Amino acid sequence: LAKTTQPISMDSYEGQEVNITCSHNNIATNDYITWYQQFPSQGPRFIIQGYKTKVTNEVASLFIPADRKSSTLSLPRVSLSDTAVYYCLVGDMEYSSASKIIFGSGTRLSIRP
Amino acid sequence: SQTIHQWPATLVQPVGSPLSLECTVEGTSNPNLYWYRQAAGRGLQLLFYSVGIGQISSEVPQNLSASRPQDRQFILSSKKLLLSDSGFYLCAWSVLGQGRNGYTFGSGTRLTVV
Repeated sequence: LAKTTQPISMDSYEGQEVNITCSHNNIATNDYITWYQQFPSQGPRFIIQGYKTKVTNEVASLFIPADRKSSTLSLPRVSLSDTAVYYCLVGDMEYSSASKIIFGSGTRLSIRP
Repeated sequence: SQTIHQWPATLVQPVGSPLSLECTVEGTSNPNLYWYRQAAGRGLQLLFYSVGIGQISSEVPQNLSASRPQDRQFILSSKKLLLSDSGFYLCAWSVLGQGRNGYTFGSGTRLTVV
């Protein structure tokens, strides 16, 4: 099982760049790294996904080193609305791996004015 | 477009009463469907997943059961609720072999057992 380890919580201020790192030492060759965002009383929402190197979309960037044993979600210029729990998932989304994709406790990000 | 519907949004049930939560998916066929539970302030726990009609895999022994009577319908049930069944229940889907975008979640059901 590709278990992930993230910081339990992080604090930052509006306008700052926030980097959340996830460790996944047991990542398998076919595994992708996916980050989700969850607001209170809502389901998690897909943010970004990658396999190696760097991926960027309109919301965030994902940095993955060559050994793929960790990944960093980067949120540029955060705002109060970025306050949420962020989950790092590692796995192959094919059905045979459904039971092996584990949501950890996530990182509770708090943004202050 | 592909959407997932989950209801009810909130539910308060007495201990010992039955439960039925329904989830339906639109705009896709043969999805993999999942039920997760989230306790207050905790991560998501996978309860059941299904790769097809009538095919249910249980991840955690518990007081709950799941059924998939139709391709795009997933139901979570209990015959007699326990206090420990309280939580936030989420339905999700992913389509086999199509891209790597992972799960799309429903809006969730907040269940309080009293």
